Amino acid sequence: GENVEQHPSTLSVQEGDSAVIKCTYSDSASNYFPWYKQELGKRPQLIIDIRSNVGEKKDQRIAVTLNKTAKHFSLHITETQPEDSAVYFCAASIIGFVGNEKLTFGTGTRLTIIP
Amino acid sequence: DAGVIQSPRHEVTEMGQEVTLRCKPISGHDYLFWYRQTMMRGLELLIYFNNNVPIDDSGMPEDRFSAKMPNASFSTLKIQPSEPRDSAVYFCASSRDSSNTEAFFGQGTRLTVV
Repeated sequence: GENVEQHPSTLSVQEGDSAVIKCTYSDSASNYFPWYKQELGKRPQLIIDIRSNVGEKKDQRIAVTLNKTAKHFSLHITETQPEDSAVYFCAASIIGFVGNEKLTFGTGTRLTIIP
Repeated sequence: DAGVIQSPRHEVTEMGQEVTLRCKPISGHDYLFWYRQTMMRGLELLIYFNNNVPIDDSGMPEDRFSAKMPNASFSTLKIQPSEPRDSAVYFCASSRDSSNTEAFFGQGTRLTVV
């Protein structure tokens, strides 16, 4: 089955600086890579996703890049703000094929923004 | 839609007791997932359903855990008997179909077994 590894497990950055979180996956058939943000005591929520037919996607201050050959993808947050402090999870799945829709999550990165 | 609804939000029970967690997915979503979250193991998929049918239960830790989905709007996760190591936050999530796999999570149930 799919195995997703995520690094680093904790990350502290100064407010205004950029943060990068990296994930690798094992199943070359995976074609959908979402990122979830979980604030303390709350539910995980989707913040951005990418499908394997594109290499990069941006949404305001966040962006995700995908390298299918190397089987890794990354989350980039620019101009970080205190409200970006949370745990971030990457995930991988195969969409479009019944029976392979489950998301396999990475172990999470606790991001702390230092004011 | 109110989103995915889980109950109870918190549950404290004694070791050996039966625990039942409940979930109402978003209307029209074909998929329902049960996850367990702990500090040590992160988010683990326990089981998921497609159109009320269990597809993959390989994540269910042992026979003490069982899950059912009797209809499209309700699912239960049962632990019997419960043990202290079952203490965790249990999330239910739903997604629309195999091409729209954004998972919408419920608020979670924080289970404490003493």
